[in-house]
Amino acid sequence: EVQLVQSGAEVKKPGESLKISCKTSGYSFTSQWIGWVRQKPGKGLEWMGIIWPGDSETRYSPSFQGQVIISADRSISTAYLQWSSLKASDSAIYYCARQLGQLRAVYDLWGHGTMVTVSS
Amino acid sequence: EVVLTQSPATLSVSPGERATLSCRASQSIDTNLAWYQQRPGQAPRLLIYGSSSGATGVPARFSGSGSGTEFTLTISSLQSEDFAFYYCQQYNNWPRTFGQGTRVEIK
Repeated sequence: EVQLVQSGAEVKKPGESLKISCKTSGYSFTSQWIGWVRQKPGKGLEWMGIIWPGDSETRYSPSFQGQVIISADRSISTAYLQWSSLKASDSAIYYCARQLGQLRAVYDLWGHGTMVTVSS
Repeated sequence: EVVLTQSPATLSVSPGERATLSCRASQSIDTNLAWYQQRPGQAPRLLIYGSSSGATGVPARFSGSGSGTEFTLTISSLQSEDFAFYYCQQYNNWPRTFGQGTRVEIK
């Protein structure tokens, strides 16, 4: 079965680091871009960035450049999103999603989301 | 950055009626626009890409149209499971961006 399985909910304090994961299965991990999307409570979707797992090429939205790091481990078909120092404003649900094609930069397969809560 | 403005913010429709949602881009994006549905507590689901191409498994009552800066998602006859949020997304420019969403609620 083709699926993206994300890691579980996290509760962290401001200033702490965090790395959440998105494990893929059922398709060739290195042949399709993986993106990350943020959704704050009661709000809309925000595109954060993408990674090509084949060579770990990444592209970020300017809003998230320098704030997070997107990475991938080809050996276990898993993509990651990480923070070095969390802020309360990072509290949100984070989705990973598979891009449909090279030129069709839309997302046809989504993880269930990882809720991140940052609170002192 | 391309700004996508969706209207209306909330659309009240009776089951069986037609719903028309709009997405306007701040600059031309050709036909590089997608639509997603998000039900409460669920991840988004791709409905339409390329402005008018239906994604796999999407019912025929969902259709998209438009090019340049004006786009429309039409749901021909609303079913109970269609009451949800809908987002447009452009992929013509970097960074990719989403509209702020339209909530389709039961009238």
